Amino acid sequence: QKEVEQNSGPLSVPEGAIASLNCTYSDRGSQSFFWYRQYSGKSPELIMFIYSNGDKEDGRFTAQLNKASQYVSLLIRDSQPSDSATYLCAVREQYNFNKFYFGSGTKLNVKP
Amino acid sequence: DTEVTQTPKHLVMGMTNKKSLKCEQHMGHRAMYWYKQKAKKPPELMFVYSYEKLSINESVPSRFSPECPNSSLLNLHLHALQPEDSALYLCASSQDPGNGYTFGSGTRLTVV
Repeated sequence: QKEVEQNSGPLSVPEGAIASLNCTYSDRGSQSFFWYRQYSGKSPELIMFIYSNGDKEDGRFTAQLNKASQYVSLLIRDSQPSDSATYLCAVREQYNFNKFYFGSGTKLNVKP
Repeated sequence: DTEVTQTPKHLVMGMTNKKSLKCEQHMGHRAMYWYKQKAKKPPELMFVYSYEKLSINESVPSRFSPECPNSSLLNLHLHALQPEDSALYLCASSQDPGNGYTFGSGTRLTVV
């Protein structure tokens, strides 16, 4: 069983700070990595995806990927209370492109 | 239209009932998915339809029966469910899974 591990949190940061969310995965052959945000009682919403080693920036969000270490992270700059949610890491299976594995999520609390 | 619409939003059913969940998208996405999510757990893949054909069944019990009548519509027929089947059922679609999914708002199912 392929695994995606995340610290469940909660991760608490003050408003305006950088929040750093981390994810490790077991399938060394995985090529595609995704971050979803899920507010309590709502469905997941795609934030961004990353395929290549290094950083990918989109507004206040930066995804970082290190395939050698099997590690992907999400940085949220200038955190806002509205960023308070559970962040799910998802990894796409190497050979079955329709199959994704989700981590259990990290709950982020941004305090005003 | 950039949404995945799920109905009903809430459903309470008895263990002897038959009910159906409905999912609709008009984005021309070629793949549609059913996920099950229990509280504080990640989404678990149940079924994948690609070009209206069932491509993945994650060993889901036969009391769950998916159906894809056309490229825009996905149903999940429920029969003789157990209380442990109570969960949030999420539908998702994608044109290219490499770009992630669009999730619907979910159906919160309670089996009594």
